[in-house]
Amino acid sequence: NAGVTQTPKFRILKIGQSMTLQCTQDMNHNYMYWYRQDPGMGLKLIYYSVGAGITDKGEVPNGYNVSRSTTEDFPLRLELAAPSQTSVYFCAAAWVSAGEANYGYTFGSGTRLTVV
Amino acid sequence: GDSVTQMEGPVTLSEEAFLTINCTYTATGYPSLFWYVQYPGEGLQLLLKATKADDKGSNKGFEATYRKETTSFHLEKGSVQVSDSAVYFCAFNTDKLIFGTGTRLQVFP
Repeated sequence: NAGVTQTPKFRILKIGQSMTLQCTQDMNHNYMYWYRQDPGMGLKLIYYSVGAGITDKGEVPNGYNVSRSTTEDFPLRLELAAPSQTSVYFCAAAWVSAGEANYGYTFGSGTRLTVV
Repeated sequence: GDSVTQMEGPVTLSEEAFLTINCTYTATGYPSLFWYVQYPGEGLQLLLKATKADDKGSNKGFEATYRKETTSFHLEKGSVQVSDSAVYFCAFNTDKLIFGTGTRLQVFP
C-alpha cells in the first residue's frame, strides 16, 4: 500500500501566486490533516477533515483552504502565497474511532514550499 | 488547553550512551500517547505508542511508559547508535494529534 502520497515534493512560488498541494490516501481512513513544519519547530495543524464533505480549521488556517470531496483526497490550496508560508507541509491520515486515533497517524513524505 | 512539553534539544551523545528525552502532557482524560521520529529530509514515522496508563510502548530498542500520575511519557534507549540521529516528537491525540516541538538527537561515533 502506498499509504499517504503527497505531490509535489518541492515547489518555489512567487509572492501572490497560487497553488494546490495534493494529498491522497489509500487506507480508507476517515480523518485527514494538514500540518506545517517551520524550521526548528514542531508541527502546527492547518486544517483537518473528519470525513468526505467535512472540514475544520486547525491552529493556523489563515491563507489556506481545503476541500474533501472524497475519502481519498484532501488538497490544500494557497491562494495568494506569502513568504510566511515558506515551510514544509505534511499531510496525514488516521482512523479515528470514539474520538481517538489509537493506531496513530500515517504521514506523507512532505512538500517543501519556498515563497520568494 | 491541551499541550505537550518536550525537553529542548539538541541532545548530543556518544554512541552506546543512554538516552532519555522527557515529555509531559496536559490533556483532558487519558489520551493515547505517541513518539514519532523524523529522519533528515523525511516525514514523520510512528516509533511507538501506548494507549492506557502503565502501558509500555517499545520499538527498535526505544521504550516509553505511560505514567498517568505524572502525565509523562519519557523516551528511553539503553544504547544509542549513530543511526538514531533524528528529531523525536512526543504527541497525544484526541481527534487531533497534538505535537511537542521536537527534540533533535545527535549521536557521534
